[in-house]
Amino acid sequence: GQNIDQPTEMTATEGAIVQINCTYQTSGFNGLFWYQQHAGEAPTFLSYNVLDGLEEKGRFSSFLSRSKGYSYLLLKELQMKDSASYLCAVKDSNYQLIWGAGTKLIIKP
Amino acid sequence: GAVVSQHPSWVICKSGTSVKIECRSLDFQATTMFWYRQFPKQSLMLMATSNEGSKATYEQGVEKDKFLINHASLTLSTLTVTSAHPEDSSFYICSATQGGGGNQPQHFGDGTRLSIL
Repeated sequence: GQNIDQPTEMTATEGAIVQINCTYQTSGFNGLFWYQQHAGEAPTFLSYNVLDGLEEKGRFSSFLSRSKGYSYLLLKELQMKDSASYLCAVKDSNYQLIWGAGTKLIIKP
Repeated sequence: GAVVSQHPSWVICKSGTSVKIECRSLDFQATTMFWYRQFPKQSLMLMATSNEGSKATYEQGVEKDKFLINHASLTLSTLTVTSAHPEDSSFYICSATQGGGGNQPQHFGDGTRLSIL
């Protein structure tokens, strides 16, 4: 079966750095996406990786290793507004998007 | 760019009512739109994939006669929850993909919170 694993919850301190990991086992791979979802709101797109390596976008970076079936989202200089759920999703060989259950990130002052 | 508008944001209605939710891509053409349902503190659950001009593809366990999807144009898809009951209360979210490339993200509407009394 297809599976995406992320930690359920993480806690970090304002101003610090946090890394949210995602491992996947899917039938084929056509890219990995990270989304942010604040409570009660719809997800918003953060990043996309299809080749190995690091993609940087301001305070957020996303890394991919296809051979390991692994990605992480790195958030720097954490702000209180970064408290949200972070969803990892992978497109399989049929371009179907497989969603992880999300990681709830709690930022403490 | 890539804005998706979903309407209404909130619906509260009596059991047995049918509810229609609209999903529009405002600044791009969306060949494919997706409908999700999300229960509190749970992940997104894909209900169906909506293709313009053809029948929607429903996920296993989703009743197509209960959740009617129409994708009549490249910018509009609608989900109708027919004869809604309290167990249908949920957060319904649509998304759309701009273009056909595999690297295109899904852009989400703001969601519709449906409460059936």
